[in-house]
Amino acid sequence: EPEVTQTPSHQVTQMGQEVILRCVPISNHLYFYWYRQILGQKVEFLVSFYNNEISEKSEIFDDQFSVERPDGSNFTLKIRSTKLEDSAMYFCASSEGRGPGYTIYFGEGSWLTVV
Amino acid sequence: LAKTTQPISMDSYEGQEVNITCSHNNIATNDYITWYQQFPSQGPRFIIQGYKTKVTNEVASLFIPADRKSSTLSLPRVSLSDTAVYYCLVGSPGAGSYQLTFGKGTKLSVIP
Repeated sequence: EPEVTQTPSHQVTQMGQEVILRCVPISNHLYFYWYRQILGQKVEFLVSFYNNEISEKSEIFDDQFSVERPDGSNFTLKIRSTKLEDSAMYFCASSEGRGPGYTIYFGEGSWLTVV
Repeated sequence: LAKTTQPISMDSYEGQEVNITCSHNNIATNDYITWYQQFPSQGPRFIIQGYKTKVTNEVASLFIPADRKSSTLSLPRVSLSDTAVYYCLVGSPGAGSYQLTFGKGTKLSVIP
């Protein structure tokens, strides 16, 4: 089964540093997403991306965050000036289309620890 | 987005059938019901999706009554590896919102 791959699997960074989380969505998918899950809490939507632009974003996705599709295969989440509360598991996801019948596939996650 | 209510936790012995019920009283006409599974420190994994009546795949069955105000995920003959959190999501991503809204899910513990 095709899968979404994410790197790194775990990153430790100092508060105030910039972090880039990378994802390779499933190859024929057109819609890309980032979610996060703080330890012990719900999975939360951050942003969706289609046709090289943000389609929708949550309140969490403020100016500290940005997403980019730098080439035909990678999708990145950049977190500028990280804070302690950014420590979480970040999941990349992708789907072929949007709406019923199109499954959203998640990657295994990148665990970010801000110290 | 329709709010969902599901049990916080369930226990089951290996080999038993497990049924997890989700209530979604204000489900909209265009909404579908989707279930995901999540193991610790892993991403959510799609299990099954349905609109009405019954849907079955190689992993599970989904039963949806005529009023669609609830749904039941059925896992046949669970094993220890089915221990996970199961999420019921209701929505219609094609209607304008791209996001999936996860609740707290049901933590299923399979006991030997």
